Amino acid sequence: DQQVKQNSPSLSVQEGRISILNCDYTNSMFDYFLWYKKYPAEGPTFLISISSIKDKNEDGRFTVFLNKSAKHLSLHIVPSQPGDSAVYFCAASVSGTYKYIFGTGTRLKVLA
Amino acid sequence: NAGVTQTPKFRILKIGQSMTLQCAQDMNHNYMYWYRQDPGMGLKLIYYSVGAGITDKGEVPNGYNVSRSTTEDFPLRLELAAPSQTSVYFCASSPGTGCFFGPGTRLTVL
Repeated sequence: DQQVKQNSPSLSVQEGRISILNCDYTNSMFDYFLWYKKYPAEGPTFLISISSIKDKNEDGRFTVFLNKSAKHLSLHIVPSQPGDSAVYFCAASVSGTYKYIFGTGTRLKVLA
Repeated sequence: NAGVTQTPKFRILKIGQSMTLQCAQDMNHNYMYWYRQDPGMGLKLIYYSVGAGITDKGEVPNGYNVSRSTTEDFPLRLELAAPSQTSVYFCASSPGTGCFFGPGTRLTVL
């Protein structure tokens, strides 16, 4: 039972354009969400997070949007850069459990 | 700070062998995790710990054991290795919000 789903295994975007990565979840108890970026042969690194009390969080070129009624979140990267090419994972947790459930990942390729 | 360190980086095991994957963190984080990453399958939580002496099962605990005798260390034990355990294993630690990951151990069981 995949509680956190990323239905697009891959995405290609031109440099300078917007990248939109999507994530859906099934557990309505999840109230904290994170995005991670992973380069080959490295561990994932934290990008940005959002609590369910918000619907948007921005950090530089990265913005995460949360739609609780649709159980959907998205990561926007503007403008996209070739160095953003990586696998992106979304993750979710229920506050107080400290247990993070990850999605299957989306491979982003930013074309120069 | 070294962050989260994992040893070994690579290992090949024969079916039925046992081994321990080591993980250590120097950030004084209470929470530690073991994940495995299979191709196209994302990261699956194997076990996690909310503090020394406390561990709990994640999504895919079968075939693994863990212990947490200190805040710093969280070893993962594989008993009777099987080809289905071929994967990349990531250890992570957390101060309570979000995880810091180690570089991973690539394990092949033949």
